[in-house]
Amino acid sequence: NAGVTQTPKFQVLKTGQSMTLQCAQDMNHNSMYWYRQDPGMGLRLIYYSASEGTTDKGEVPNGYNVSRLNKREFSLRLESAAPSQTSVYFCASSEVGDFPPTQYFGPGTRLTVL
Amino acid sequence: GEDVEQSLFLSVREGDSSVINCTYTDSSSTYLYWYKQEPGAGLQLLTYIFSNMDMKQDQRLTVLLNKKDKHLSLRIADTQTGDSAIYFCAEKGNNFNKFYFGSGTKLNVKP
Repeated sequence: NAGVTQTPKFQVLKTGQSMTLQCAQDMNHNSMYWYRQDPGMGLRLIYYSASEGTTDKGEVPNGYNVSRLNKREFSLRLESAAPSQTSVYFCASSEVGDFPPTQYFGPGTRLTVL
Repeated sequence: GEDVEQSLFLSVREGDSSVINCTYTDSSSTYLYWYKQEPGAGLQLLTYIFSNMDMKQDQRLTVLLNKKDKHLSLRIADTQTGDSAIYFCAEKGNNFNKFYFGSGTKLNVKP
């Protein structure tokens, strides 16, 4: 079991460029999440998907879009990158029926926008 | 939304005990968690406590929960240099499967 995988690990973009961050999980979880981590601010939820076919905004959705491609995959798209989107992005998954309910995290994507 | 607060830094000497504190606002929290993040890595679940418990012990880790004050703490006994990491407090309320994280406490263990 690979758990939660993310690609790429590192990315440098210029302002205005677009890119898609990929996330996949092999634990058959229904719920998936995208967070960003900034120094001193902890993890902030960008978007989440309760189940295949649904997505909802989190705390900081502006400038991002998501696609829940199937049960395994949940991608995050930056249409026009801005320096304020320089951050570490984490994907996570969880399952409602698990005890205890637990989020499992990917290794992160370190994004720099110049 | 729910607030989870932690201090940003803690420095201890190897062999001492570390205590990391967290406060939260959601009185309907069902589970509270401690995650550990090592440099360059994602978050890994360290331990959790159910909201009807006061204390949970797991080897060198002790979690204390004071529901009245909405205060959670993590004590690491005999802290080692390998414990140096960022520790996140998190809580899960009744709302679907959403989790709320604190800002993380960076623990520095000096030899």
